[in-house]
Amino acid sequence: ETGVTQSPTHLIKTRGQQVTLRCSSQSGHNTVSWYQQALGQGPQFIFQYYREEENGRGNFPPRFSGLQFPNYSSELNVNALELDDSALYLCASSWAGALNGELFFGEGSRLTVL
Amino acid sequence: KNEVEQSPQNLTAQEGEFITINCSYSVGISALHWLQQHPGGGIVSLFMLSSGKKKHGRLIATINIQEKHSSLHITASHPRDSAVYICAGSGGSEKLVFGKGTKLTVNP
Repeated sequence: ETGVTQSPTHLIKTRGQQVTLRCSSQSGHNTVSWYQQALGQGPQFIFQYYREEENGRGNFPPRFSGLQFPNYSSELNVNALELDDSALYLCASSWAGALNGELFFGEGSRLTVL
Repeated sequence: KNEVEQSPQNLTAQEGEFITINCSYSVGISALHWLQQHPGGGIVSLFMLSSGKKKHGRLIATINIQEKHSSLHITASHPRDSAVYICAGSGGSEKLVFGKGTKLTVNP
């Protein structure tokens, strides 16, 4: 139990649709990172939010966008879904400045695009 | 560009065996995370290392900064250790670059 919850756990969408994935970070954590993990691959960094501002972005197109709220929970939005967007989407929360750099991951949201 | 390479990709062991998973990383990475991912997908952080060695139960992680190499060792392996083990590097922030993972299967 990491204290990080993601929703929904599974969902199916069709090409062209939009999806919103949600992440509630562990209490006190002010940083949330989102990752995409395709089947059989390691996770890829999408972006990170720190205190409601985007704090770095990976190699993902603008149709991947995010938000972080004052309570530090976060959303990942993907527009104009493509088949290759099918993946496990993971969020990880942390407290910037933590000496041990420990990350806490959610269980992930598994998106299937048909 | 930060890169992380892991080996082996797959590893099968008998219960009780000593296991080593290796990770090499590129210039620009200053900290190494070892993570465990179970079939359901959830990831658990095992260690974060920037130098030396850390131990937690039967798990030991080491890092050699000069050689840019880290290892994860499991002593007295058990079937419940079966999972995918991932090393991930960071360059001073929490933005991780992940290896592709090592799938470990420990047979009874």
